[in-house]
Amino acid sequence: AQSVTQPDIHITVSEGASLELRCNYSYGATPYLFWYVQSPGQGLQLLLKYFSGDTLVQGIKGFEAEFKRSQSSFNLRKPSVHWSDAAEYFCAVGSGGGADGLTFGKGTHLIIQP
Amino acid sequence: GAVVSQHPSRVICKSGTSVKIECRSLDFQATTMFWYRQFPKKSLMLMATSNEGSKATYEQGVEKDKFLINHASLTLSTLTVTSAHPEDSSFYICSASRTDYTEAFFGQGTRLTVV
Repeated sequence: AQSVTQPDIHITVSEGASLELRCNYSYGATPYLFWYVQSPGQGLQLLLKYFSGDTLVQGIKGFEAEFKRSQSSFNLRKPSVHWSDAAEYFCAVGSGGGADGLTFGKGTHLIIQP
Repeated sequence: GAVVSQHPSRVICKSGTSVKIECRSLDFQATTMFWYRQFPKKSLMLMATSNEGSKATYEQGVEKDKFLINHASLTLSTLTVTSAHPEDSSFYICSASRTDYTEAFFGQGTRLTVV
């Protein structure tokens, strides 16, 4: 069965500092990987996705993620965070882009210190 | 971009009553729609997958008679929570997939509170 692990429940980062959110997955085939952001009481916004090709993917809001098959990881990074980045971040894995439901990690709550 | 609208955004209902949540794809045809449930401080759990014109496929442990899903058109899926109880209180989120299946787009969610 597929699974996603986000080992950090909370992360606190100073505004302007760099950020890395960890995501490890378990999947039997080539995974489709996603990062979503959720503000309180809101739905999910897609930050970026990986299907194939270049393992470093660029997303919206200055985020990027790197797919490392050997480590079964898909970590999210941002060089300089802004206070507006404070939110819940979810990593997810699926089998076929939008054809199947996604398996989500438990999320990482990002806190930005001034 | 593809927009998915969910209605209502918040609903409070009395225990024992039923409540319907709508999920609409506004600018694309959604062959497949998904319903997720999110408990407080928890991840999203896939409840069911619905394809237009056919019965929904429920995940293990999800009561199909309690959570009725209808996907009557390519732009609308509904989730009806029947005989709701306080333990059904949760955040429900739908997503819709375009026919090219490159990704699914999420609605803004519905906060259900059963009192």
